[in-house]
Amino acid sequence: AQSVAQPEDQVNVAEGNPLTVKCTYSVSGNPYLFWYVQYPNRGLQFLLKYITGDNLVKGSYGFEAEFNKSQTSFHLKKPSALVSDSALYFCAVRDPSGGSYIPTFGRGTSLIVHP
Amino acid sequence: EPEVTQTPSHQVTQMGQEVILRCVPISNHLYFYWYRQILGQKVEFLVSFYNNEISEKSEIFDDQFSVERPDGSNFTLKIRSTKLEDSAMYFCASSEGVRGLETQYFGPGTRLLVL
Repeated sequence: AQSVAQPEDQVNVAEGNPLTVKCTYSVSGNPYLFWYVQYPNRGLQFLLKYITGDNLVKGSYGFEAEFNKSQTSFHLKKPSALVSDSALYFCAVRDPSGGSYIPTFGRGTSLIVHP
Repeated sequence: EPEVTQTPSHQVTQMGQEVILRCVPISNHLYFYWYRQILGQKVEFLVSFYNNEISEKSEIFDDQFSVERPDGSNFTLKIRSTKLEDSAMYFCASSEGVRGLETQYFGPGTRLLVL
């Protein structure tokens, strides 16, 4: 079975500071991992994904995420937060060794960047 | 940039009534999905659809739900007899492929409120 956890409901950070949004996962094999962002009144937008290869994945809007197999984590990071980064962030995982092609999403983490 | 669109953006209905939620996937995509998110909870998979038939469905997708691609552009989710617990945000998504590593593109959602 595949599962994902986003341990923080909300993350607050000052503009210009680095931000981290946490995600941990559980799969039986090697995971496919995704981050999506949802702005108010918009659908989920793809940010980045890890399938294989380099553990550091770079995505849209200056975001990156690091796949850490030993810690089963895929935390989303950005070196310098912008107020416009304030949104809801979803982590998702798929276990390719499972029978389903469908990812499991986390509950989402609300990121608030203060001016 | 092509987008997934959904109508209506909001729907209020009485318990027991039928609702149809509509989606227009990205035109060259072949795989379509419905997800829902009850307020404050996880994004949950409902159903995936390919080649005019259901590929996968979750335990949530019971006999009260059905999906259809009535023409070359629309993809609909029907709830035959709505229940209070069907109140949620419903997201449509589409992807080019379904091997689990293709990016899913989401619509803005339909907020359904069952009274």
